[in-house]
Amino acid sequence: SQKIEQNSEALNIQEGKTATLTCNYTNYSPAYLQWYRQDPGRGPVFLLLIRENEKEKRKERLKVTFDTTLKQSLFHITASQPADSATYLCALEANDYKLSFGAGTTVTVRA
Amino acid sequence: NAGVTQTPKFQVLKTGQSMTLQCAQDMNHNSMYWYRQDPGMGLRLIYYSASEGTTDKGEVPNGYNVSRLNKREFSLRLESAAPSQTSVYFCASSAGGQGLYEQYFGPGTRLTVT
Repeated sequence: SQKIEQNSEALNIQEGKTATLTCNYTNYSPAYLQWYRQDPGRGPVFLLLIRENEKEKRKERLKVTFDTTLKQSLFHITASQPADSATYLCALEANDYKLSFGAGTTVTVRA
Repeated sequence: NAGVTQTPKFQVLKTGQSMTLQCAQDMNHNSMYWYRQDPGMGLRLIYYSASEGTTDKGEVPNGYNVSRLNKREFSLRLESAAPSQTSVYFCASSAGGQGLYEQYFGPGTRLTVT
């Protein structure tokens, strides 16, 4: 069956450090993979999209990698700030072309 | 430009009651979605509308019906609410239906069924 797995444990990091989140998938062959941010009590907000032929994508302090051989995406937040504290969701194109979402990883950045 | 709006924000129902969740978008998007989000689980797709006049079942459609009223509006109906439908419901829209298109989400409806 199709499965998307994100870091099961919440991530607690010191301000200024790099947070690295993982998204592993099985039985998908996505052409696209997306990352979203969700704050408590709010809807998810789109952050980045990466295509299967792109190894890496950057946006300000965010970096995403996509390895279709390993079936894995890594999401990095560099020089983290307390305002980066949120839950981060990965989403990928399922076989029927709709998005499937992971359960998310909660990041807390300590000042 | 409000983006995606949902009403109501909160609702408490008794088992067996019915209700309709409303969703509207002002971005001229073709595709609209209804998801539910439960603790520890990802967003699960309930129903999807690729374009005005079409709807398709998602991963968890049982107990729900939808109507794509026009390009802007997509409603979700619970005909006979059950405690298992206690959840947070999100409506979303996108320009197209494939993974190439980012989705814009509403603020959610928190539904409790007792």
